[in-house]
Amino acid sequence: KQEVTQIPAALSVPEGENLVLNCSFTDSAIYNLQWFRQDPGKGLTSLLLIQSSQREQTSGRLNASLDKSSGRSTLYIAASQPGDSATYLCAVRPRDSNYQLIWGAGTKLIIKP
Amino acid sequence: DAGVIQSPRHEVTEMGQEVTLRCKPISGHDYLFWYRQTMMRGLELLIYFNNNVPIDDSGMPEDRFSAKMPNASFSTLKIQPSEPRDSAVYFCASSEQGSNEQFFGPGTRLTVL
Repeated sequence: KQEVTQIPAALSVPEGENLVLNCSFTDSAIYNLQWFRQDPGKGLTSLLLIQSSQREQTSGRLNASLDKSSGRSTLYIAASQPGDSATYLCAVRPRDSNYQLIWGAGTKLIIKP
Repeated sequence: DAGVIQSPRHEVTEMGQEVTLRCKPISGHDYLFWYRQTMMRGLELLIYFNNNVPIDDSGMPEDRFSAKMPNASFSTLKIQPSEPRDSAVYFCASSEQGSNEQFFGPGTRLTVL
C-alpha cells in the first residue's frame, strides 16, 4: 500500500534563505508526483507536477526533483519570501490508481520577515 | 476561466439536517473529484467522476453520503442526515483528460453542531 510522508511537519526560517521540503513514498510504481500549496482557509494550488519519467521540474523560484528508485521528492524554494508562508503538500498518483492521488500530511512553512 | 467554483463557502447546520454542497468544474475538464480534509485524517478522496459518470466511490464513508453529476458543469455532494463528525472542509477538484493535474476549488467549510 502506497504511503506518502512529509518531514518536517513544520518549518520556520528567516526571509531570504533557500530551503528544501521533503516528500517520501513507499512504492516506486507511480505515474507522477505533484506538489501543492495551501493557504489558510483556501483551496490547494498546484505548483509543480513531475511525470515518472522526469527528474525535475522548475517554475520561477521553485524546483522539484524526483528520485523514484529511492522514493523521494524534494521541493526547493530559492530566496524565500514571507508570501511563501503556507502548507505544502505532495501527492503521488500510483501507476494502478485511475487518477486517485495519495497525499502527504503536508509541511507548514513560515517565512519570518 | 474562473477556476473551480464551490458553494457555499461556509455551512453551519444542526445534526440530522440535510446538507448539499455544490461544485462547478473548470469548463472542458472531464474529471471531477470530491475530497474531504480534516486535521486528523488529512485529505481523503471521497468520489470521482469521468464524463459525469461515477468511477470510484470507495472513499464515501457511509450511505449518508451521496454525490451526483447531472451534467458536465455541475456536481453535488449530499449528506443526509448530517452528524458532527462530518465537520470538515470539502474540496472539489477537476482535471482535463490526459492532464493528470488537478485544480482545486476554494472548499466548503462544513460545521455540524
